[in-house]
Amino acid sequence: KAGVTQTPRYLIKTRGQQVTLSCSPISGHRSVSWYQQTPGQGLQFLFEYFSETQRNKGNFPGRFSGRQFSNSRSEMNVSTLELGDSALYLCASSLEPTAKTDTQYFGPGTRLTVL
Amino acid sequence: AQSVTQPDIHITVSEGASLELRCNYSYGATPYLFWYVQSPGQGLQLLLKYFSGDTLVQGIKGFEAEFKRSQSSFNLRKPSVHWSDAAEYFCAVGSGGSYIPTFGRGTSLIVHP
Repeated sequence: KAGVTQTPRYLIKTRGQQVTLSCSPISGHRSVSWYQQTPGQGLQFLFEYFSETQRNKGNFPGRFSGRQFSNSRSEMNVSTLELGDSALYLCASSLEPTAKTDTQYFGPGTRLTVL
Repeated sequence: AQSVTQPDIHITVSEGASLELRCNYSYGATPYLFWYVQSPGQGLQLLLKYFSGDTLVQGIKGFEAEFKRSQSSFNLRKPSVHWSDAAEYFCAVGSGGSYIPTFGRGTSLIVHP
């Protein structure tokens, strides 16, 4: 069974640009969550999509957005990039995260550098 | 608001020794609790989680954690550490009673041969 894949793995952008990151979950998984990891703020939850609907959202500005397609693949977009958006962006998939026996699987991440 | 404290930034143990990583949470009701591990080779993995029921939770890689409401703690334990356990460990509490994690700052585990 293929794991969670994220593309691209590395990305360099300049301030003011926008970026789109992609995540392909494990086959059959309907929940996709996104996280940001930085040395200063640590790991933070961005949002969760379930069956094409945003089910939960973290405390991030509106420049951060996402969507999920009918095949459960998800994208996140960051507009008007700031230096502070430099981070490792992680995607995770699961069947149903509210279930006690559910396990969440993480992708390798996309390393975004904003210059 | 809920929060998580991992008091130890670094922990050093010898291979074969037992391990306990501390985690204290702040939340008024019964929380959702998680432990994750992150290593360069394996990325981020969910080790175990507590949603309700039995307070002793078994996870992957031989880890377990115990929820102690009276101490607001969810410490991670392993009876015998392997060199491959060297990694960063994150404790998390569910935000607002949900399954959405709020993470601690992490504990770096160093394993001596």
